[in-house]
Amino acid sequence: GESVGLHLPTLSVQEGDNSIINCAYSNSASDYFIWYKQESGKGPQFIIDIRSNMDKRQGQRVTVLLNKTVKHLSLQIAATQPGDSAVYFCAEFLNKLVFGAGTILRVKS
Amino acid sequence: GAGVSQSPRYKVAKRGQDVALRCDPISGHVSLFWYQQALGQGPEFLTYFQNEAQLDKSGLPSDRFFAERPEGSVSTLKIQRTQQEDSAVYLCASSLASLGYEQYFGPGTRLTVT
Repeated sequence: GESVGLHLPTLSVQEGDNSIINCAYSNSASDYFIWYKQESGKGPQFIIDIRSNMDKRQGQRVTVLLNKTVKHLSLQIAATQPGDSAVYFCAEFLNKLVFGAGTILRVKS
Repeated sequence: GAGVSQSPRYKVAKRGQDVALRCDPISGHVSLFWYQQALGQGPEFLTYFQNEAQLDKSGLPSDRFFAERPEGSVSTLKIQRTQQEDSAVYLCASSLASLGYEQYFGPGTRLTVT
């Protein structure tokens, strides 16, 4: 069936560097995309979202880019901090949320 | 403010036992969702309620899984005759809007079937 996938299962970055987490989606009809952060023992936490009529959206230290031509989504985290260490999921929404498998972000101090 | 709460946080069941998992959504949230999350995987949709109506149960893996939200607030996910493959974290999420774009997740219930 339709699914959302991730290119990199684990990403290690130095504290203070920028992080980029990538995601490929397969359903071209999806109209809404979300990035979630999940820490151990907790539920997913909303980070940022973007609708299909946009190609970029910025939040506090985070930016989401959407390339509908190649069905690609990315999350950029500026000045990565130890507290950013978690699993990050992209998800697409058509009639329901479909999550990818996740990328582990490890921040080295 | 109060977020989505789930209980119990951990549940160990022997194979064949029935379990009931509870979700208390954010007050006033119309939509409620249940997800199953296997270790190392993303959450997978199980079922969706709009108020008390179960509008989508396409993700329930078998007829051993049953969910209800009788008064449009608290929801219970029941699993009958648990099997080892039911071991997972069960997440509940709620959303203010009916379409469920912005979903707020609870901490989950970790179910282990032995």
